[in-house]
Amino acid sequence: GESVGLHLPTLSVQEGDNSIINCAYSNSASDYFIWYKQESGKGPQFIIDIRSNMDKRQGQRVTVLLNKTVKHLSLQIAATQPGDSAVYFCAENEGGSYIPTFGRGTSLIVHP
Amino acid sequence: GAGVSQSPSNKVTEKGKDVELRCDPISGHTALYWYRQRLGQGLEFLIYFQGNSAPDKSGLPSDRFSAERTGESVSTLTIQRTQQEDSAVYLCASSLYGLAGGQETQYFGPGTRLLVL
Repeated sequence: GESVGLHLPTLSVQEGDNSIINCAYSNSASDYFIWYKQESGKGPQFIIDIRSNMDKRQGQRVTVLLNKTVKHLSLQIAATQPGDSAVYFCAENEGGSYIPTFGRGTSLIVHP
Repeated sequence: GAGVSQSPSNKVTEKGKDVELRCDPISGHTALYWYRQRLGQGLEFLIYFQGNSAPDKSGLPSDRFSAERTGESVSTLTIQRTQQEDSAVYLCASSLYGLAGGQETQYFGPGTRLLVL
């Protein structure tokens, strides 16, 4: 389940389950969105992106959904594996800006 | 190597000392970013370099922080008179042109973990 507090929001899942990580963004003018994965001791790694003229984009085992009406972004990971355990960040960017705004992150824990 | 590299990977210093952090971007990338990441937090923008343009320093938290970049190569982030609140991971990222006006991926280095005692 999810918990929010002084620590990062955490999502715990069993290996093989599908995971859904959510992100609420703040700027209605944002038109480019990115999901990053950050493993312990490493820098963020690009996973998938989506522009505001789309509401869904699929990659390998990952799908990003964008709901502009409620300013909500989600990352779905199919058949979650232990190697997916990491912190996942969403980032939003407004057209014309070169500085994305990063969310706080969600910690995904995959139990074998 | 092909990716962004940063050095040192870890730095422990005493309060009041100066530190210098280094970033080697991907060759050919004109845009370079520095971020700070406190424990359990998202990424806080510090400074942006784009080619030979004047850097965007709007994210630097105080005048103790400064950064330089020579052309489109190495960048150094300097923190003077370090304070305990400066303890964080400092991440560098580079991209081909910068995000303005289009889709572009930022490639991050592994970060420098700074601990100020």
